[in-house]
Amino acid sequence: AIWMTQSPSLLSASTGDRVTISCRMSQGISSYLAWYQQKPGKAPELLIYAASTLQSGVPSRFSGSGSGTDFTLTISCLQSEDFATYYCQQYYSFPRTFGQGTKVEIK
Amino acid sequence: QVTLRESGPALVKPTQTLTLTCTFSGFSLSTSGMCVSWIRQPPGKALEWLALIDWDDDKYYSTSLKTRLTISKDTSKNQVVLTMTNMDPVDTATYYCARGYSGYDYWGQGTLVTVSS
Repeated sequence: AIWMTQSPSLLSASTGDRVTISCRMSQGISSYLAWYQQKPGKAPELLIYAASTLQSGVPSRFSGSGSGTDFTLTISCLQSEDFATYYCQQYYSFPRTFGQGTKVEIK
Repeated sequence: QVTLRESGPALVKPTQTLTLTCTFSGFSLSTSGMCVSWIRQPPGKALEWLALIDWDDDKYYSTSLKTRLTISKDTSKNQVVLTMTNMDPVDTATYYCARGYSGYDYWGQGTLVTVSS
């Protein structure tokens, strides 16, 4: 299985900040990576797939980059509705795997 | 409009078998490229991928749970069923079904399953 190291696990930030979340793979996965946002009590929502392609309806302040083993999710200008937990997920091979999550909290 | 909805027991006893049903609409699992997965999330913890079934009836499972899991589909009913045997309290989680192969673009609301005697 492909293991993922997502960091940081907790990120304290203020509205308007630029934040980045990292996801590192145990082996190369080309660009077969997705990012999700999850709010308490809700199902995750797809933000980005193919490492950098924005899902329809997702604000442009979200962006993804990387390929191979190192990936980044960036929120360019944090809004109040962005305080949530974020997960990366690889779909390069089976079994699929998720990162451990990054909680973005209000500083 | 794509929707998915999970159904099943809210409470199971240890050693019992859990059967969950995902009923979906807005797409067909007989369409080439379509897939449905099951994913779970213990309270306060991360997402854990469990299984996937595709339009061609190919099935894939979590390495650690594959001896306990069975995924199947009923295309005529637009349903995907997951069974998990020998349930344990550590299997207490919210169980989600989701559509997609290259990222999960639609999710059900999830169903909380508690394992307790």
